[in-house]
Amino acid sequence: GDSVTQMEGPVTLSEEAFLTINCTYTATGYPSLFWYVQYPGEGLQLLLKATKADDKGSNKGFEATYRKETTSFHLEKGSVQVSDSAVYFCALRGSARQLTFGSGTQLTVLP
Amino acid sequence: KAGVTQTPRYLIKTRGQQVTLSCSPISGHRSVSWYQQTPGQGLQFLFEYFSETQRNKGNFPGRFSGRQFSNSRSEMNVSTLELGDSALYLCASSLERENTGELFFGEGSRLTVL
Repeated sequence: GDSVTQMEGPVTLSEEAFLTINCTYTATGYPSLFWYVQYPGEGLQLLLKATKADDKGSNKGFEATYRKETTSFHLEKGSVQVSDSAVYFCALRGSARQLTFGSGTQLTVLP
Repeated sequence: KAGVTQTPRYLIKTRGQQVTLSCSPISGHRSVSWYQQTPGQGLQFLFEYFSETQRNKGNFPGRFSGRQFSNSRSEMNVSTLELGDSALYLCASSLERENTGELFFGEGSRLTVL
């Protein structure tokens, strides 16, 4: 079945540091890939998405590229802010038509 | 535009009881999905409804059930509660007829089973 593997957290960075959160997936066919973010006390919000190979999703300075050859969708941001502190979830929508989530990565950004 | 609203936000039940959680989707959204979030298992898909019909279901026992009303509001019910049912239950709505994965989540209902 479909599965998503994210790098283990928590991740702690200083403000303005570079962020990478690794995500790899297993799925049949051509899944759509997503990053969702959950701020403290809130529900999940869609951060970005990519629907086909080599697509790059971007939003709020975050980027991720759909790499079919490596089955990866790593999240990157060049300069994180304290307000980026949250839990980040990688997810895919495959042939089962439901979202399959990774375990989440807690990010804390220190001033 | 109001977001996805879930009620109640917090509740405490004892083993063996049953619970009903409610979700009001964003106005105009006809697809509603439910997820269970726990520290150990993460986010797991429960079921999805569209136009009052369940069109997808996750791997949960029959104690977990749901329904959707004609106004797109949805409820989920868990009967004979177990300690392991303690979790944050998230509802999400979607505009598209075809669930593309772009979901709008509510803040969740946190259930504690004692």
